[in-house]
Amino acid sequence: DQQVKQNSPSLSVQEGRISILNCDYTNSMFDYFLWYKKYPAEGPTFLISISSIKDKNEDGRFTVFLNKSAKHLSLHIVPSQPGDSAVYFCAASDNAGGTSYGKLTFGQGTILTVHP
Amino acid sequence: EAGVAQSPRYKIIEKRQSVAFWCNPISGHATLYWYQQILGQGPKLLIQFQNNGVVDDSQLPKDRFSAERLKGVDSTLKIQPAKLEDSAVYLCASSSHTLAFFGQGTRLTVV
Repeated sequence: DQQVKQNSPSLSVQEGRISILNCDYTNSMFDYFLWYKKYPAEGPTFLISISSIKDKNEDGRFTVFLNKSAKHLSLHIVPSQPGDSAVYFCAASDNAGGTSYGKLTFGQGTILTVHP
Repeated sequence: EAGVAQSPRYKIIEKRQSVAFWCNPISGHATLYWYQQILGQGPKLLIQFQNNGVVDDSQLPKDRFSAERLKGVDSTLKIQPAKLEDSAVYLCASSSHTLAFFGQGTRLTVV
């Protein structure tokens, strides 16, 4: 029962272009969504998040869009840089009004490669 | 601020042996999590502690996995006996009120 799905195992883009990573979820109880970035031999590091009461959140080159009716979110990276090459995980939390977003359900990850 | 510390970084054991992983969370973080990440998959929550109490261990295979956080700080995760399918990266994370911060993980290979 995969509640969070990232259907693209990999994505390759040219430096300077836009990277779009997609994520779908099935559990309507999820109320907070996060993107984590992972380099080899390191733990996941937080990138950006969005609450279910919003449809967009922007932080520098990174923007996350949430479409609740479609149960879909996406991460846009503009412009993409070679240092962005990593595995990107979509994650969701059913926080039920609490304040801790560490109990996460992760997608399978998408390997992003940005070519110079 | 020091991050989440885990040891060892790598471990290779034979099936049916036992193994233990250690985690030291960020100072002051009351909540601690253990995740299992199998190659090609996302991390999966095994157990969540709040101080020294278990909040959620519904996905922990209790016939072979155990975890403790006796003094509400450090935590250990044990597997006994290990199976081939336990080969994975075991990630520890901690949080205070919001985000979870992850350690580098322990890569376990069961042969």
